[in-house]
Amino acid sequence: QVQLVQSGAEVKKPGASVKVSCKASGYTFTSYYMHWVRQAPGQGLEWMGIINPSGGSTSYAQKFQGRVTMTRDTSTSTVYMELSSLRSEDTAVYYCARDIEYSSSWSLYNWFDPWGQGTLVTVSS
Amino acid sequence: DIQMTQSPSSLSASVGDRVTITCRASQSISSYLNWYQQKPGKAPKLLIYAASSLQSGVPSRFSGSGSGTDFTLTISSLQPEDFATYYCQQSYSTPRITFGQGTRLEIK
Repeated sequence: QVQLVQSGAEVKKPGASVKVSCKASGYTFTSYYMHWVRQAPGQGLEWMGIINPSGGSTSYAQKFQGRVTMTRDTSTSTVYMELSSLRSEDTAVYYCARDIEYSSSWSLYNWFDPWGQGTLVTVSS
Repeated sequence: DIQMTQSPSSLSASVGDRVTITCRASQSISSYLNWYQQKPGKAPKLLIYAASSLQSGVPSRFSGSGSGTDFTLTISSLQPEDFATYYCQQSYSTPRITFGQGTRLEIK
């Protein structure tokens, strides 16, 4: 079955960087884009960016431009999200989510399915 | 960015109730609207895509409707396992997707 398995929880100091991994299985890794979404404690969902596992191209939310880097390793079917210059406000659960694209009539729809289990990143001095 | 506003932010209901959650977009998004359910400590799960299509495996008591700027998620008869937080998501401006702020559904 399709599965996304993320790396374990991290504790980082302000100013450091964190790199979270997301290993895909059960489907052709290079055929589906991957998103990263984060959720601060008790808050809603915030889209961070997307990577094309085939060519490696990326698009990031403006809020994270310059601080986030998404990469992939096709040999291990793994995508990575690295966030630098961490501050306390970056404390959150980080999710990867596969993009599904569906064509109907003249429209192209997208949604996320499945999601990884989430990785808690805590930024604290 | 397209802003998504859900209402209410929270609601209390009883098992067996019919519940409706509303999502409004800041501009027309046609039917590029998805709904997710999230339980505490878990990742979101897709319920509805393209405004009204039920994801495989999701119970038929869940339904979605709407187009343009106004959308609804309806649960026809609440079950104990439905108490969770629900998020709408617009994909009109994909890949720059945005979510609503969430609606927390609690047991009365």
